Amino acid sequence: SQQGEEDPQALSIQEGENATMNCSYKTSINNLQWYRQNSGRGLVHLILIRSNEREKHSGRLRVTLDTSKKSSSLLITASRAADTASYFCATVHVINTGTASKLTFGTGTRLQVTL
Amino acid sequence: KAGVTQTPRYLIKTRGQQVTLSCSPISGHRSVSWYQQTPGQGLQFLFEYFSETQRNKGNFPGRFSGRQFSNSRSEMNVSTLELGDSALYLCASSVEQGANTGELFFGEGSRLTVL
Repeated sequence: SQQGEEDPQALSIQEGENATMNCSYKTSINNLQWYRQNSGRGLVHLILIRSNEREKHSGRLRVTLDTSKKSSSLLITASRAADTASYFCATVHVINTGTASKLTFGTGTRLQVTL
Repeated sequence: KAGVTQTPRYLIKTRGQQVTLSCSPISGHRSVSWYQQTPGQGLQFLFEYFSETQRNKGNFPGRFSGRQFSNSRSEMNVSTLELGDSALYLCASSVEQGANTGELFFGEGSRLTVL
């Protein structure tokens, strides 16, 4: 089952506007990551935020994490047509200290950026 | 540095057949994870291998199996194929395994169609 739920499921904006996607999860995490996927392709890692961090930036990306609300948001500023893709949050939760953990993906947000 | 390579990229099988998918991780990466992606279920974790040992397994039937070789290359096998096995199978590699799971590097996937 999915760990995370993303909101909205689909988002359509014009080039130059900002896009905000939200992710909620259910159990305590070690870190949360955001990935991007162009249609039918593999996923590309965007950014990782650890459970003791509240905000992180990378270029036009800004990620926030609120562990008390079990939620995260991804903001893409000044969007471009090339940002059109699906965006997934993925959570890492420790199963046993020092042993296997895994990435559990959310349902994804489909972003469409039009000219 | 070469990325994660998955073969074949596309394949068509009929119900009851079996299939083997291959994944070559990035050089130096010892962890390989497999995911199944379908429109209905999203990205579902199949299993993770680290140093030739299966470290974690998702909730899939025993028809789904995998292995990892000493050079970190991995294969997954699906036996007695069902229509519902039609999906994009994604392989991802990473340097570390366990509680420090960081960025995953994904291949382009193998798209399996079961007729």
